[in-house]
Amino acid sequence: KAGVTQTPRYLIKTRGQQVTLSCSPISGHRSVSWYQQTPGQGLQFLFEYFSETQRNKGNFPGRFSGRQFSNSRSEMNVSTLELGDSALYLCASSRDGTESYEQYFGPGTRLTVT
Amino acid sequence: SQKIEQNSEALNIQEGKTATLTCNYTNYSPAYLQWYRQDPGRGPVFLLLIRENEKEKRKERLKVTFDTTLKQSLFHITASQPADSATYLCALDGNYQLIWGAGTKLIIKP
Repeated sequence: KAGVTQTPRYLIKTRGQQVTLSCSPISGHRSVSWYQQTPGQGLQFLFEYFSETQRNKGNFPGRFSGRQFSNSRSEMNVSTLELGDSALYLCASSRDGTESYEQYFGPGTRLTVT
Repeated sequence: SQKIEQNSEALNIQEGKTATLTCNYTNYSPAYLQWYRQDPGRGPVFLLLIRENEKEKRKERLKVTFDTTLKQSLFHITASQPADSATYLCALDGNYQLIWGAGTKLIIKP
């Protein structure tokens, strides 16, 4: 079974630009969660999608948005990039929900904002 | 507010010894607790899940305990090897999300 894939793996953007990151979950997984990870910080939850619906959202500004398609693939978008948005963005898929099932993570997208 | 604490400093263990990592939480009553391993520049990898009604769970050289009275989970690696060196994260169930600790960096010295 193919694992979670994320594209692109690395990205360099300038302040004020916008970026779209993509995540393809494991086949059969309906839940996709997005996280931001910065050095010394735990994973910060962005949002979770299940069957194309945003089921939960973390404490991030509205510049961060996402969506999920009918094939469970998900995208997240960050508009008006700030230097502080530089981070590793991880997506994770799980079979049904996030609490009782283990999450399978992709390799992440390393975003650098200059 | 809900809080999860893991040893913030790196844990140095001699090869062959047992490594024990701690995850403490407050203002929580999680039904599940999960442990993950993360290598530099990569996504976390699931290791073990333990439910609130389970005191202990084992998988090969790994053992997890879950004490809901102490609000603590311990993660043990027996017969540790240099390849076990990584950051270990604990995560507890929230409302349709996992709440994560900051992780403990484990270094196994040959």
